[in-house]
Amino acid sequence: EAEVAQSPRYKITEKSQAVAFWCDPISGHATLYWYRQILGQGPELLVQFQDESVVDDSQLPKDRFSAERLKGVDSTLKIQPAELGDSAMYLCASGTTSGANTQYFGPGTRLTVL
Amino acid sequence: AQSVTQPDIHITVSEGASLELRCNYSYGATPYLFWYVQSPGQGLQLLLKYFSGDTLVQGIKGFEAEFKRSQSSFNLRKPSVHWSDAAEYFCAVGAGNSASKIIFGSGTRLSIRP
Repeated sequence: EAEVAQSPRYKITEKSQAVAFWCDPISGHATLYWYRQILGQGPELLVQFQDESVVDDSQLPKDRFSAERLKGVDSTLKIQPAELGDSAMYLCASGTTSGANTQYFGPGTRLTVL
Repeated sequence: AQSVTQPDIHITVSEGASLELRCNYSYGATPYLFWYVQSPGQGLQLLLKYFSGDTLVQGIKGFEAEFKRSQSSFNLRKPSVHWSDAAEYFCAVGAGNSASKIIFGSGTRLSIRP
């Protein structure tokens, strides 16, 4: 069964450092999502891609976060500089655009900022 | 604005007992509704979804959910829980075109009493 891949699974960094997360969606899925999940809460959408284009980044803190999906396949989420409040699980999901969408999630990257 | 409420933060049930997790949504049109499960440190796995048709939907792992428009609810049920069902459960509503944007509730943590 096809799965969404994410790496790294865990990342520990110090405040003010740069971090990057990678996501490889299920083959053929045109939509890709990055979510942030703070401990004890549900995931919150950071950015949504349709192929290589950003559809929604209204909740992305653009002063420090950036996301790209250059060839419309895999994607990278970057934080620079990281802050203590960025400690969270970062989840990637992908979905199709035909009919009603269902999102499939990767295992996530657990970020700890010290 | 669309929203999802899961009124129970934490529920404990005995193994073999029945389970019902509550979910209420706020959405102007006919919603797309989902239940996801998340094991500790893992990504989200789709349990079931409702888009239209029969209001009682069957999912994986023996779960089912019933859509009740009059109550704006989509409660998750299982007749007999297993210790492996201990996890965090998230109800979500799909908004926008073809449910392209998913809004999650804050989750219900399920513990199983031996």
